[in-house]
Amino acid sequence: QKEVEQDPGPLSVPEGAIVSLNCTYSNSAFQYFMWYRQYSRKGPELLMYTYSSGNKEDGRFTAQVDKSSKYISLFIRDSQPSDSATYLCAMATGRRALTFGSGTRLQVQP
Amino acid sequence: EAGVTQFPSHSVIEKGQTVTLRCDPISGHDNLYWYRRVMGKEIKFLLHFVKESKQDESGMPNNRFLAERTGGTYSTLKVQPAELEDSGVYFCASSQSGLGSIQYFGAGTRLSVL
Repeated sequence: QKEVEQDPGPLSVPEGAIVSLNCTYSNSAFQYFMWYRQYSRKGPELLMYTYSSGNKEDGRFTAQVDKSSKYISLFIRDSQPSDSATYLCAMATGRRALTFGSGTRLQVQP
Repeated sequence: EAGVTQFPSHSVIEKGQTVTLRCDPISGHDNLYWYRRVMGKEIKFLLHFVKESKQDESGMPNNRFLAERTGGTYSTLKVQPAELEDSGVYFCASSQSGLGSIQYFGAGTRLSVL
């Protein structure tokens, strides 16, 4: 069983929709939770970072962590065609190595 | 401010040859990481430098892989001899001291072993 599970998609939504991306994990030692966005042939770009349960908002993006359920989410409001990319969740324990999900491919249709 | 840069962007070699990948971290970042994504799999950790010292190399697949970070600046990852299963995208990331989990990634080197 993988430590981090993420639905690979693809997920296709119309422009302006609210997008919900999710990851579940099995390792209760994970303390730090990140979301990265990756465009084709580019490196992962850090979007959101949190280390506690609850919500964190940054513009159109909201990251949610539920440690009791071992479940994290990323919400994108008013989605735009430029949001079309692969979204990766990543987690870390006290060590620095990140454990990644496999990524969800998002397509926002104009 | 320049981000993490990696060179080359793409390398095609034959099985048994040697390849060296280079990573220049963000200036002032003490932490440097190597990751790899092979076809159809998730990104996996290879190793972590703090300045010039290897902090964690638990993800290195075997002794054909050698990573160095001379002087605590740029890092190289050498694969010798390369095997077919080494094909994939190799990413480098860096982070500030004390903020190890907030890692910034380079664009990656796409390695194809034929």
